[in-house]
Amino acid sequence: QSVLTQPPSVSAAPGQKVTISCSGSTSNIGNNYVSWYQQLPGTAPKLLIYDNNNRPSGIPDRFSGSKSGTSATLGITGLQTGDEADYYCGTWDSSLSAAVFGGGTKLTVL
Amino acid sequence: EAQLLESGGGLVQPGGSLRLSCAASGFTFSSYTMSWVRQAPGKGLEWVSAFGGSDTSIYYADSVKDRFTISRDNSKNTLFLQMNSLRAGDSAVYYCAKVLRGYSPDQFDHWGPGTLVTVSS
Repeated sequence: QSVLTQPPSVSAAPGQKVTISCSGSTSNIGNNYVSWYQQLPGTAPKLLIYDNNNRPSGIPDRFSGSKSGTSATLGITGLQTGDEADYYCGTWDSSLSAAVFGGGTKLTVL
Repeated sequence: EAQLLESGGGLVQPGGSLRLSCAASGFTFSSYTMSWVRQAPGKGLEWVSAFGGSDTSIYYADSVKDRFTISRDNSKNTLFLQMNSLRAGDSAVYYCAKVLRGYSPDQFDHWGPGTLVTVSS
């Protein structure tokens, strides 16, 4: 059971938009930055979003992040087949003194 | 560009030990918190441990506390994970990860390709 809760799967058609939610508590998302990671099959995770809503260089602006209270959301617009991957949210949990991840969401581009 | 390369994985019997290494290059290794994150086959990411700027900035997941020990050699730009009393549930790909910002404890901007640890008799 993950500390952060994500939907197991989402799907949408090419060119459409999808959002992935990440729910936590005041000890984690509520008081710390949220990051998002993309993991393509057979590869290491890749940082997509940091500090709730910032993109590292090289990440297209089709990817966006937001945070409100104890929840965060990853948005992906203009879906491409190459976006099919597992997506994870992450943050620090001040009560656990541990980094925590969501259980992951598998994105299918139909 | 930062690069990380793990080594030391393999097959080990339950109750056995293994030492993982992570060789870092392309950045000032001593200036960043480094972490281990694992992923069991077909499962999600699980943070294991982090080593910040000093011995007082070491953290472990409850699932590995008292069995695993993280260390680093800044002179050799290398991170280690000593794993003792291994269990079947420790079987996973172990990733070494660098944090985005100084000695912050999370937000990982570079990851190694991972090394597979299999605990089985």
